[in-house]
Amino acid sequence: AQSVAQPEDQVNVAEGNPLTVKCTYSVSGNPYLFWYVQYPNRGLQFLLKYITGDNLVKGSYGFEAEFNKSQTSFHLKKPSALVSDSALYFCAVRDGYSGGGADGLTFGKGTHLIIQP
Amino acid sequence: DTEVTQTPKHLVMGMTNKKSLKCEQHMGHRAMYWYKQKAKKPPELMFVYSYEKLSINESVPSRFSPECPNSSLLNLHLHALQPEDSALYLCASSQGPRETQYFGPGTRLLVL
Repeated sequence: AQSVAQPEDQVNVAEGNPLTVKCTYSVSGNPYLFWYVQYPNRGLQFLLKYITGDNLVKGSYGFEAEFNKSQTSFHLKKPSALVSDSALYFCAVRDGYSGGGADGLTFGKGTHLIIQP
Repeated sequence: DTEVTQTPKHLVMGMTNKKSLKCEQHMGHRAMYWYKQKAKKPPELMFVYSYEKLSINESVPSRFSPECPNSSLLNLHLHALQPEDSALYLCASSQGPRETQYFGPGTRLLVL
């Protein structure tokens, strides 16, 4: 079984400061990891993913994430936060061991990111 | 273009009604998904279609009936729903089984 943990319900950051949203995962095989953002009353927007390769992944809107296999973590980061980054962020995982068939994503509970002006 | 469209945006239905949710993508994606998201909760997988065949049904009650008429369309037929089925229903698609899933804006369903 696969699972994702986002330990923080809410993260508060001042505008212009760096931000980190934490995510840890558990899978049987190799992890496929994703970050999505959800604005109020909207669907999920894809930010970035890690499948294989470089542990530092760069994504949309200046976000990046670092894959750490030993700590089973995939934390989302941004060097300088904007007020418009305030939203609900979901980490998601798919187990790469589950064969070639289509498979759904397992999401963490989500972290509310609040950027204060 | 990574657009997935969903109609209607909002739906209110009684427990005896029959309604359908529609999802469409024109990206040539061959896998399509239905998720259910309750308020302040993460999305939960309901169904997966791969190459127009149902490949995963996450023990969803039979009052939810998915249909994939062709590679671009995905429907979710609703019948005799309960108030606890009120939620945001999200559709997603991906180019292949292991590729990034792109989500539509969702249909917000209220069952009275």
